[in-house]
Amino acid sequence: AAGVIQSPRHLIKEKRETATLKCYPIPRHDTVYWYQQGPGQDPQFLISFYEKMQSDKGSIPDRFSAQQFSDYHSELNMSSLELGDSALYFCASSLSSSHEQFFGPGTRLTVL
Amino acid sequence: QQPVQSPQAVILREGEDAVINCSSSKALYSVHWYRQKHGEAPVFLMILLKGGEQMRHEKISASFNEKKQQSSLYLTASQLSYSGTYFCGTYGSSNTGKLIFGQGTTLQVKP
Repeated sequence: AAGVIQSPRHLIKEKRETATLKCYPIPRHDTVYWYQQGPGQDPQFLISFYEKMQSDKGSIPDRFSAQQFSDYHSELNMSSLELGDSALYFCASSLSSSHEQFFGPGTRLTVL
Repeated sequence: QQPVQSPQAVILREGEDAVINCSSSKALYSVHWYRQKHGEAPVFLMILLKGGEQMRHEKISASFNEKKQQSSLYLTASQLSYSGTYFCGTYGSSNTGKLIFGQGTTLQVKP
């Protein structure tokens, strides 16, 4: 069965650089969520999209932005990277009619 | 508001049982349980809905006490593969699917 795809899987950036993380949801899933997970911490909700519109926003810094495209893939854009942005970034997708969120394998971002 | 999980960590021998609790200070509509292995994605185990039945996933079951605003995850006859961090998640106030996770319970099953 198809799963959520995230790219890249690993990313190393310098402080103040920008990064773009991509997420391809499971086919026919209409909702995408982004979570950030620091070492030893629980996943923190960043932002979500339903049918290409932003549906909810969490603790996402103003330096970050995201969008969902017509093919339902989503991108998380991160600018002016800080050391504290180093984390695992997960994308999850679901059908709006279901409560189950399927997580992608994550992108490990390291900011040096 | 973040749900609170207890205990923070559990060490078991294969075949032993464990219970992980998740409680919230606000009324719950649903509780989601995930298991995460180190460096991997959280994997959905089950969801407990308000007014719903107790759920089961293999030898793992869970209950939802709406009055106490608490859910418990029961791991029976634990296997080595059960090792990982268990998170409960509840919806934020907007109920848009935004999950607020507890701080996690680390379970280690030893042979």
